[in-house]
Amino acid sequence: NAGVTQTPKFQVLKTGQSMTLQCAQDMNHEYMSWYRQDPGMGLRLIHYSVGAGITDQGEVPNGYNVSRSTTEDFPLRLLSAAPSQTSVYFCASSYALQGESPLHFGNGTRLTVT
Amino acid sequence: AQSVTQLDSQVPVFEEAPVELRCNYSSSVSVYLFWYVQYPNQGLQLLLKYLSGSTLVESINGFEAEFNKSQTSFHLRKPSVHISDTAEYFCAVIPGYSSASKIIFGSGTRLSIRP
Repeated sequence: NAGVTQTPKFQVLKTGQSMTLQCAQDMNHEYMSWYRQDPGMGLRLIHYSVGAGITDQGEVPNGYNVSRSTTEDFPLRLLSAAPSQTSVYFCASSYALQGESPLHFGNGTRLTVT
Repeated sequence: AQSVTQLDSQVPVFEEAPVELRCNYSSSVSVYLFWYVQYPNQGLQLLLKYLSGSTLVESINGFEAEFNKSQTSFHLRKPSVHISDTAEYFCAVIPGYSSASKIIFGSGTRLSIRP
């Protein structure tokens, strides 16, 4: 059981470049989300989805796009990378939107923007 | 605004010593409470959670946390730590019994174990 899989593990971009961070889960979870983790700031929600075709913004959505065409996949797109987007990005899923459902995290993508 | 405060960014302890990681939250409504653990180069994993009922909750690896409503705290404790407990620990709150998208994470406490 793979759980939540994120690719790539590491990425270096130049300012202005675009890229897509991949996230896939094999647990048939309805809820999926993207967080960024910065030192001393915990995790901040970027975007989330409650099912295929449904997405919404989190706390820090600017500069990022998402789509959810299938239950399994939830890619995060950086449209024009900026140094402020240097961070570790985590994808997380849970079987339902309800708060009692624990989040399952991928191992993260470490992104550096120069 | 709702918030979660982890008072210690780093906690060094010796192996087999007891440890307490502190977590306080601000919320005017009822909450779900969680502790997540992040081992090096991995994502977060759920360690334990309080939803309702008994205020003392335990994990399978010897950690426990107690919900104290009057002090709005959810401190994490272990009576005897092991090298394998070296990790970063995040306290998290969902206010108002709402959805997973409303979860608020603390800034984390890095637990380092000295042999």
